Amino acid sequence: KQEVTQIPAALSVPEGENLVLNCSFTDSAIYNLQWFRQDPGKGLTSLLLIQSSQREQTSGRLNASLDKSSGRSTLYIAASQPGDSATYLCAVRRTGNQFYFGTGTSLTVIP
Amino acid sequence: DAGVIQSPRHEVTEMGQEVTLRCKPISGHNSLFWYRQTMMRGLELLIYFNNNVPIDDSGMPEDRFSAKMPNASFSTLKIQPSEPRDSAVYFCASDRNTDTQYFGPGTRLTVL
Repeated sequence: KQEVTQIPAALSVPEGENLVLNCSFTDSAIYNLQWFRQDPGKGLTSLLLIQSSQREQTSGRLNASLDKSSGRSTLYIAASQPGDSATYLCAVRRTGNQFYFGTGTSLTVIP
Repeated sequence: DAGVIQSPRHEVTEMGQEVTLRCKPISGHNSLFWYRQTMMRGLELLIYFNNNVPIDDSGMPEDRFSAKMPNASFSTLKIQPSEPRDSAVYFCASDRNTDTQYFGPGTRLTVL
């Protein structure tokens, strides 16, 4: 079974700092990997989707990378803002539509 | 597009009662997913449908849980009878051809 781990579980940074969130998975046979953010009491919002053949994706201040061989993905957030405070989850999709979510990193950006 | 729509947003019921959660996926999406989120177990995939057909229900915890998708624009997740340990947030999500997955706002279920 695919195991997805996110470290750290919680992170607190001052506003303006660049930061990196990590996602590790045990089985490299993935179809794609998606990063989501979840605000308290809300659903998940998709941030970036990386196909297995891609190395990275960018959207605004966000950049996600994927290294399938080592079972790792990172989400880079540039110039963090208080509005970035949320829980960030990565999800690995295998063939057959099997989805595995990490437990998330809770990010707090301090003004 | 209105996004994925779920109802009700909150449900409080007593143990033993039947609970029905509803989902309307995004128009044009051909896959629909039901998830459950708890503090202890995180986000778990319960079942997913492709073109209205259930493909994998291995995540459904027990026979008390059942899901249907009678057409491309509607799905239900039913729990009968409900138990306190079923208390969680239930999410519905949809996508098209394994592309970006979109989540609904969730239904917060409390079973007393």
